[in-house]
Amino acid sequence: GAGVSQSPSNKVTEKGKDVELRCDPISGHTALYWYRQSLGQGLEFLIYFQGNSAPDKSGLPSDRFSAERTGGSVSTLTIQRTQQEDSAVYLCASSPLAGLNEQFFGPGTRLTVL
Amino acid sequence: GQNIDQPTEMTATEGAIVQINCTYQTSGFNGLFWYQQHAGEAPTFLSYNVLDGLEEKGRFSSFLSRSKGYSYLLLKELQMKDSASYLCAQGLHNTNAGKSTFGDGTTLTVKP
Repeated sequence: GAGVSQSPSNKVTEKGKDVELRCDPISGHTALYWYRQSLGQGLEFLIYFQGNSAPDKSGLPSDRFSAERTGGSVSTLTIQRTQQEDSAVYLCASSPLAGLNEQFFGPGTRLTVL
Repeated sequence: GQNIDQPTEMTATEGAIVQINCTYQTSGFNGLFWYQQHAGEAPTFLSYNVLDGLEEKGRFSSFLSRSKGYSYLLLKELQMKDSASYLCAQGLHNTNAGKSTFGDGTTLTVKP
């Protein structure tokens, strides 16, 4: 595809359930980022993958959050035992290399925890 | 966003010029990005500055002063479609290279 894609676009779940959010980065981009954005707020960094290096997980808010990137491409963000405060838009972005390159964002997944 | 400061809201008139300021932490600096985000949409890249001075791109220009830890985004000939949030982001060096730190964004409202 031409851009970053994310699925699902919307997810409504009940408190305590686990959810998985998927990101397909632009082909050939080695860097992949996950952010969280609450309504009217800025971007909150969650996790960053760069090639085969160990991911930077320093932004994950709790141990209920985890992410994987398989084969250097697709990434999955998993939230276990969801809480209402997890409700937000989860944005994925990719770039050819980290730091100096612009990030290309996907459309996001809007997560609502009831 | 941590260490990135920009105004929360600004209002301007169609056809006018508006300047959105951003200050950042100079340590580990590796470039300054501006993104535009319309309501309900993902951010899109506008500009990138790594050297001091003004970068012009059509109606949008971005300025950087590394010694002052300061940047601004200048929008000329404002149009209604320019109403959006404008995010300032700092690229970082080395092991932090992935953590481009984003500001909380400036919501610009363009009025007729």
